[in-house]
Amino acid sequence: SQTIHQWPATLVQPVGSPLSLECTVEGTSNPNLYWYRQAAGRGLQLLFYSVGIGQISSEVPQNLSASRPQDRQFILSSKKLLLSDSGFYLCAWSGGTQDEKLFFGSGTQLSVL
Amino acid sequence: AQSVTQLGSHVSVSEGALVLLRCNYSSSVPPYLFWYVQYPNQGLQLLLKYTSAATLVKGINGFEAEFKKSETSFHLTKPSAHMSDAAEYFCAVSEYTGGFKTIFGAGTRLFVKA
Repeated sequence: SQTIHQWPATLVQPVGSPLSLECTVEGTSNPNLYWYRQAAGRGLQLLFYSVGIGQISSEVPQNLSASRPQDRQFILSSKKLLLSDSGFYLCAWSGGTQDEKLFFGSGTQLSVL
Repeated sequence: AQSVTQLGSHVSVSEGALVLLRCNYSSSVPPYLFWYVQYPNQGLQLLLKYTSAATLVKGINGFEAEFKKSETSFHLTKPSAHMSDAAEYFCAVSEYTGGFKTIFGAGTRLFVKA
């Protein structure tokens, strides 16, 4: 069966420090991968999605970047965190067709202080 | 671009009462619509999805949703609320722009009173 791993679960970082959140999927190949951010009262905002290795689509201009170095690995990064980067980050995968559901990781609560 | 609007950021019902969470969508093509639920400090899990096979869709935990094209709505209902239904609910639409991606509404937090 397929599983998705996301870590760390919580992270407290100072402003200006770098960020690296990792997500890996097991039990499937060539998944679509997604990074969402959930801020209080704002629902889920799609940050990045990837349909294959090295293929990244950015949805909103921001202080973050994403990379997909391997088929089932998706990394969210920042060189210098801002206060506004605080939030709950969720990684997800899907099989890539329009009616397929998303499978979510358990999320990372990031606090930038 | 497609979008979804959830009416009401918070809904409160008594245990045993009807649950109604509203969702309207905008789409230039037949939409694929979803409802997800999120329990505290967890990721989201799928409740149900509409893919044009039937307008009334039944999901897990007794929830169902009806697709109404004329109203561009996909409201989520449950006849009798249970305390364990307290969570945040997200309506979502899937669209294709070089790859399939899912756009979520802002969410509705459901409170269930004893």
